[in-house]
This record gives sequence, structure tokens and C-alpha cells, in this order.
Amino acid sequence: GAVVSQHPSWVICKSGTSVKIECRSLDFQATTMFWYRQFPKQSLMLMATSNEGSKATYEQGVEKDKFLINHASLTLSTLTVTSAHPEDSSFYICSPTTSGNTDTQYFGPGTRLTVL
Amino acid sequence: EDQVTQSPEALRLQEGESSSLNCSYTVSGLRGLFWYRQDPGKGPEFLFTLYSAGEEKEKERLKATLTKKESFLHITAPKPEDSATYLCAVRYTGGFKTIFGAGTRLFVKA
Repeated sequence: GAVVSQHPSWVICKSGTSVKIECRSLDFQATTMFWYRQFPKQSLMLMATSNEGSKATYEQGVEKDKFLINHASLTLSTLTVTSAHPEDSSFYICSPTTSGNTDTQYFGPGTRLTVL
Repeated sequence: EDQVTQSPEALRLQEGESSSLNCSYTVSGLRGLFWYRQDPGKGPEFLFTLYSAGEEKEKERLKATLTKKESFLHITAPKPEDSATYLCAVRYTGGFKTIFGAGTRLFVKA
């Protein structure tokens, strides 16, 4: 399977601060990046979809000014949670994919964000 | 409305006690149905993709089957290391978007 890394694996921050999460696809070029959020004992909820070099498309209810996504290269995408609040505490997972393989979806190991 | 429903929510088995997990879906135009395994604090790990009714796939103690309305993940003689959350997801024709079920938490006791 594809090799995907996320950094950091966990982060604790104070309310009001911003946190950046990196997602790297190590062995293939990710033309499309999905970002998911998962609350405890719940399933994955898609937050946004981004194509390399383009602006991200956000799902309904996800604030684009709060969750900034940058997909500037085919191997790196970042999600920045701006002015984080305790309710943003969650498990964030990226899923890069290529235009040549749209069916098998691989996921990063996830980033646990805790906002105090 | 496109939906993916998994049952049971949680399942406790003794080692060696075979069982099945269910995933029912209502989507307009199925492109593919996926099964994933997720361990606590980790991202989902891909298991299977099924495309059409009647299709079956196997991997070690796991076998996935698909009908027009649901999919089953059969676990034969499970071991404690099979304990995890199993996620079902569906992608419909015309797009990339994948809809996930809430998952079944499997506990296998030695």
C-alpha cells in the first residue's frame, strides 16, 4: 500500500492558537488530497477536498477560514486549524490519492489535536 | 439521501468464534464499496474493494461479500489481534466522495 505520513502525530495547544498539520505522500504523487475529522467513537467525516495547485472545496458546515488547506505540491498538503477552540479537539486524518488510482484510498496515520 | 449503516455497533467474540459484520447502503449508483480496519489512534488500513453484487474477496481470516443493498465482512476463527474497528465506506459514481459508516468495534477475547 501507499506510504503516507502525518506530522505531528499528536499536539496539545492552548485555545486561540493555530496549529499546522502536515501530510506527505512518500511514494506517489497526490493530485488530490482529502482531509477528514474523526471524533471519538464516530466515523470519518470529510472536511475538504483539494487538488494540487487549486483552492480546496469544503464540505457543508466546515469553515474555510478556520481550516486552511494548502496543497502546493504533489507530495505535501497542510491543514492549519486557526484560532483553535476545545471543540476543535479531534483526530485529523489525511488521504492522498492520484488521478490514476481513484478507488483504493489510503490514509495517513492521523494527528490527535487537543485544545485546552 | 446517501447513507451507510453498519451493524452491530460493537461485537464481542471469543477466540475462534466466527461471525459477520454488516454494512447496508443506500446510494444512487455504486462505484465501489470499501472495507477498512482501524486500530485505536491510527488511520484506517485498507482491506478490500468490492464493485459489483456477487463479488467476494478474501484475506486471511476475513472475507467480504457484496449484494445490491449490503456487504458482509465474515471473520472466521478470529484471534485477539483481529480486535479493531472495521469501517465500511461507499463511493458512488460521478465523484471522488466516499461516505463512511460509523464502524463496528470488534473485541476478540482469548
